[in-house]
Amino acid sequence: GIQVEQSPPDLILQEGANSTLRCNFSDSVNNLQWFHQNPWGQLINLFYIPSGTKQNGRLSATTVATERYSLLYISSSQTTDSGVYFCAVERWGNNRLAFGKGNQVVVIP
Amino acid sequence: DTAVSQTPKYLVTQMGNDKSIKCEQNLGHDTMYWYKQDSKKFLKIMFSYNNKELIINETVPNRFSPKSPDKAHLNLHINSLELGDSAVYFCASSQTAGRDLGQYFGPGTRLTVT
Repeated sequence: GIQVEQSPPDLILQEGANSTLRCNFSDSVNNLQWFHQNPWGQLINLFYIPSGTKQNGRLSATTVATERYSLLYISSSQTTDSGVYFCAVERWGNNRLAFGKGNQVVVIP
Repeated sequence: DTAVSQTPKYLVTQMGNDKSIKCEQNLGHDTMYWYKQDSKKFLKIMFSYNNKELIINETVPNRFSPKSPDKAHLNLHINSLELGDSAVYFCASSQTAGRDLGQYFGPGTRLTVT
């Protein structure tokens, strides 16, 4: 199956800092999503971004489909940004998301 | 106006029991899924239904039986629960055609088998 690798696996940030999370995938995809799993376990949709760049407040994401990677940028981090960030991809006609192992982010005040 | 809802949120039960988890989506999507998140937080597909028809059945023990009474509902029944079934189960939905092909997840059901 398709491989999804996320880096770095763990990240500790001082409040206010910026960071970049990376997702590499091994095959062409028609769907790429970034999720935030908060400390209460909820999976929050951040971006549906199979290609291009999107911004939502302090978060933005870029996917370069031809080079098979996506980046999630967190700017001016806040303690509420803590949690696990998952990248998930879906190949054409596969009808399932393959998840990476996540980036565990801790933002300290 | 919850998009994807699951009940119950928490389920604690003993080995050998049978239990069900219910999922409903009000997004008008035609495809629904069950994912399992293990203790290491790894998420993996279990089942997928499109317009009430099973299209994905990963290598899941046949003690797990999904049922989709209509497009908006996908329930998961588990027979003879085992300790290893303890996990968080997420329901999700998506639309197979359109501008947004993303999957939307429910809040999860934390199952603990003792």
